[in-house]
Parts: sequence; structure tokens; C-alpha cells
Amino acid sequence: GAVVSQHPSWVICKSGTSVKIECRSLDFQATTMFWYRQFPKQSLMLMATSNEGSKATYEQGVEKDKFLINHASLTLSTLTVTSAHPEDSSFYICSVYDNYGYTFGSGTRLTVV
Amino acid sequence: DAKTTQPPSMDCAEGRAANLPCNHSTISGNEYVYWYRQIHSQGPQYIIHGLKNNETNEMASLIITEDRKSSTLILPHATLRDTAVYYCIVRGFNTDKLIFGTGTRLQVFP
Repeated sequence: GAVVSQHPSWVICKSGTSVKIECRSLDFQATTMFWYRQFPKQSLMLMATSNEGSKATYEQGVEKDKFLINHASLTLSTLTVTSAHPEDSSFYICSVYDNYGYTFGSGTRLTVV
Repeated sequence: DAKTTQPPSMDCAEGRAANLPCNHSTISGNEYVYWYRQIHSQGPQYIIHGLKNNETNEMASLIITEDRKSSTLILPHATLRDTAVYYCIVRGFNTDKLIFGTGTRLQVFP
């Protein structure tokens, strides 16, 4: 499957600031990427589908103005958590679907203090 | 997408086969069964997937019942490194989304 790189692995930010998380598909041109969020001891929750060159599709209940997704190229999607608050602290994971299946990034642990 | 039901947790002795069941009684004919696992604080790792035939790869075997309403993931010789949460996911043919359920936490003990 595709090789997916996610950066940073962890980040600590102050409440009210914004944080950008990058997801790169290193060897596959991904028109679609997915963003998930996972709280401790819970399963992954799909937040949105990132579409190259167009707007992301958000799952019900996910604030699109808070979680900004940009998929400007076939190899890069970014998730920006705007005006972060402690309740946004979570594990964020991206995924790429290629011709073989889904490959996930290693995740980004966000802590908002 | 069809929902899946998995036991919340299972134990397995190292070296023995781990058999993880999954119920997907509402699966439709064009929906695939995927298995992923997640080791603590890492992204999910693909294990195997199938439509209706049994599948085997270097990691595991997937046994799907004839009526397709349930499946079993088999890790033939479990090791301590197989300790993880295992997710059984049914994905529709006309969607590219992968929706995770609650999974089974497999603990392999020495």
C-alpha cells in the first residue's frame, strides 16, 4: 500500500491558538484522504474526507470552520485545528486509499493547554 | 454500511492461534470485510480483507461464513507483539469511507 507520513507526531499548544497537521502520501497520488480523531480508550471517528482540489466533506457533527482541511496537491492534505481548546486534545490520524486498500499515518497527538 | 459486533476483549497464550470473531449479520452482497489492528498510540495497520471467499496472507487468515453474516480472523501463532485492538469493518462497494466500530482488545500473554 501507499506510504503515508504524518507530521508532527505530537504537539502541545496553548488554548486559543491554531495547529496545523500534515499528511503526505509519499508514493501515491491521492485524490482522496481521510481524517480521523481518536479519544483515549475510544475507537477512531471519521471526521472528514479530503478531496484534492475541492472542498472537504465533513461528517455530521464535525465543525468545518474549526477543523480546516486543505488538499491542495495529490500528495499533501493538511488539517488545521483553529482556536484550539482543551477539549480538542486528541489523537488525529490521516489515511490514504490506494488501489490496494487503506494506509494510515502514524498519528498526531495534540494536547491543548 | 453494515454494522459489526465484536467481543470487547480476548486473551490468547503466546504461540497459540488467536481466533477473533466478528458478526456482520446485515452485510449486503457487495460489501467487503476488512480487518485492521491498532497497537497503542499508533495508526491502524491493515491485516486482511475479503468479500466472500476465505483469504490468507502472511499475517493472518480470514474465514467468512457461507451466508457472510460473520467472519473470523485467525492469527495462527500469536506473539506478544500481536497485542492490539483489532477492528472488523464492513465497507460498502459504493463508498470509500472506512467506519470503525469498537473493536476487540486482544491481549497475548506469555
